[in-house]
Amino acid sequence: KAGVTQTPRYLIKTRGQQVTLSCSPISGHRSVSWYQQTPGQGLQFLFEYFSETQRNKGNFPGRFSGRQFSNSRSEMNVSTLELGDSALYLCASGLGLRGTEAFFGQGTRLTVV
Amino acid sequence: QKEVEQDPGPLSVPEGAIVSLNCTYSNSAFQYFMWYRQYSRKGPELLMYTYSSGNKEDGRFTAQVDKSSKYISLFIRDSQPSDSATYLCAMSASGGATNKLIFGTGTLLAVQP
Repeated sequence: KAGVTQTPRYLIKTRGQQVTLSCSPISGHRSVSWYQQTPGQGLQFLFEYFSETQRNKGNFPGRFSGRQFSNSRSEMNVSTLELGDSALYLCASGLGLRGTEAFFGQGTRLTVV
Repeated sequence: QKEVEQDPGPLSVPEGAIVSLNCTYSNSAFQYFMWYRQYSRKGPELLMYTYSSGNKEDGRFTAQVDKSSKYISLFIRDSQPSDSATYLCAMSASGGATNKLIFGTGTLLAVQP
């Protein structure tokens, strides 16, 4: 069974640009959640989508947005990039039911210069 | 104060030692407790998933949860150099529903051959 796939693996962007990251969940999983990992703050929850609906959202500015498609694939968009957005962005997929696990992808490393 | 506290280490042990990793938390709503292992430049890998208080064993790994003390532990028996990684504890009030996990900062473990 294929795992969670995130593309691209690495990105370099300039301040002020926008970026779109993609996540393909494990087959059969309807929940996709996104996390930001930085050395200073660790892993922080961005938002979660289930069956194309955002169910939960973390404390990030509106520049961070996401969506989920009918095939459960998800995209995350960051607009007006800032230097502080440099991080490893991780996607996790799961069945989305109470008591079920979340499995992470390898992440997309975003560098903003 | 952070919701989840974890000693960042680094923790260095000789091969074959028993390793004890711990986290404390403040939110009594947490019911689901996880341990992830993260190798450098990789995504977190789920090791253990437990619900409420008690012990769970899987091979060389044992997870313990003490909800009365708000304290969780991961024990690794017969540690191997391949266990060298960052270990992250994570917690959730709703389990897989919404998949909003609150992470500790991670403990860096080095197992010396």
